[in-house]
Amino acid sequence: GQSLEQPSEVTAVEGAIVQINCTYQTSGFYGLSWYQQHDGGAPTFLSYNALDGLEETGRFSSFLSRSDSYGYLLLQELQMKDSASYFCAVRPGSISGAGSYQLTFGKGTKLSVIP
Amino acid sequence: EAGVVQSPRYKIIEKKQPVAFWCNPISGHNTLYWYRQNLGQGPELLIRYENEEAVDDSQLPKDRFSAERLKGVDSTLKIQPAELGDSAVYLCASSSSPVSNEQFFGPGTRLTVL
Repeated sequence: GQSLEQPSEVTAVEGAIVQINCTYQTSGFYGLSWYQQHDGGAPTFLSYNALDGLEETGRFSSFLSRSDSYGYLLLQELQMKDSASYFCAVRPGSISGAGSYQLTFGKGTKLSVIP
Repeated sequence: EAGVVQSPRYKIIEKKQPVAFWCNPISGHNTLYWYRQNLGQGPELLIRYENEEAVDDSQLPKDRFSAERLKGVDSTLKIQPAELGDSAVYLCASSSSPVSNEQFFGPGTRLTVL
């Protein structure tokens, strides 16, 4: 099976930088995704890492270390509207390829941005 | 471009009653997913469709849940009969292909079973 660990809650100050970590255990691994979900809203895609390293998209960056089964989402210049839950999700793989199209989500990290 | 549309947004029913959720994916998206999200948890996949074919339904509780995607566009997820533990948000998502890295989610249907 697959398991993902991420902190349940994080609080940060407006304008600051925050890092949300995610460690995973999977049977095979294709890539790590990040989604944002505001209360009562739909999850929205933020980023995807298949290779080691940092991917930057505006104020958001995502990092992956396949050897450490670890990734993080970095949010810079925090704004009040960034208050939301953030989910890491893995695309596992198997010898037969079955299940490789399936995303397994973590439990989410609730980010609160305070003035 | 219109996003994924789901209805109803909210549904309250008594246990043992049937309930159905409807999803209209983004135009041209052949892959459709149904997820269930419990409070404080991440979405969990129930079923994945490629066009009109259910290609992964291993997580769908088949004794009470059923789904269909006629003509490979709209989809309906049904629960009959509903149980208290079925209270959750049911999310529909779509993607242009099964290997696409991005899934587009609808706003979900919040089901409360009393």
